[in-house]
Amino acid sequence: DTAVSQTPKYLVTQMGNDKSIKCEQNLGHDTMYWYKQDSKKFLKIMFSYNNKELIINETVPNRFSPKSPDKAHLNLHINSLELGDSAVYFCASSQGGLAGGGTDTQYFGPGTRLTVL
Amino acid sequence: QQQVKQSPQSLIVQKGGISIINCAYENTAFDYFPWYQQFPGKGPALLIAIRPDVSEKKEGRFTISFNKSAKQFSLHIMDSQPGDSATYFCAASRGGYSGAGSYQLTFGKGTKLSVIP
Repeated sequence: DTAVSQTPKYLVTQMGNDKSIKCEQNLGHDTMYWYKQDSKKFLKIMFSYNNKELIINETVPNRFSPKSPDKAHLNLHINSLELGDSAVYFCASSQGGLAGGGTDTQYFGPGTRLTVL
Repeated sequence: QQQVKQSPQSLIVQKGGISIINCAYENTAFDYFPWYQQFPGKGPALLIAIRPDVSEKKEGRFTISFNKSAKQFSLHIMDSQPGDSATYFCAASRGGYSGAGSYQLTFGKGTKLSVIP
């Protein structure tokens, strides 16, 4: 049973295209995240989201937008893809803040390797 | 501005030896310090984590040492094994409240550990 799954695993596309990456978690968590891992393996938070709140990292271009059809899914839409968007994108989830009785542990998906040509 | 600094960038250890990875943080609001392990082609997975109310936490061969006054924490892997070869990330976050902002992790740049037989 896969806890956090992402599709596709690999995505190769041309500059200027629009693409989406899907993420699903079956852990019942209420907070989900998107991270970007660059070629040097540096992991950086892009978004965190639960039913009530979206937190956007200020450095993320507005070409990137998370969309959540329901609590178990957080998809990532990218418009007008650029060469610099090439990276591995990870989705993660956690149970939420301690104030809500949650835990800290974030569970990561297997990643989507995006290559922009 | 990098808020969590990790060293070394790479580490080669003989089987049975001790692997030590160090991290330093700047934001005194951080109150949760996890270590993640990432194998090639996989997403990061939580290895061990500590909060500032303790100076050390041990789980099997893995130990976190935490120095609040110096704003430093380190991962020690005892009796290192070839199967421990992976990239290790330290991270930090501040929790204590619910919502999507909880537990946004700030990662160090990673340490690639190679354990040779």
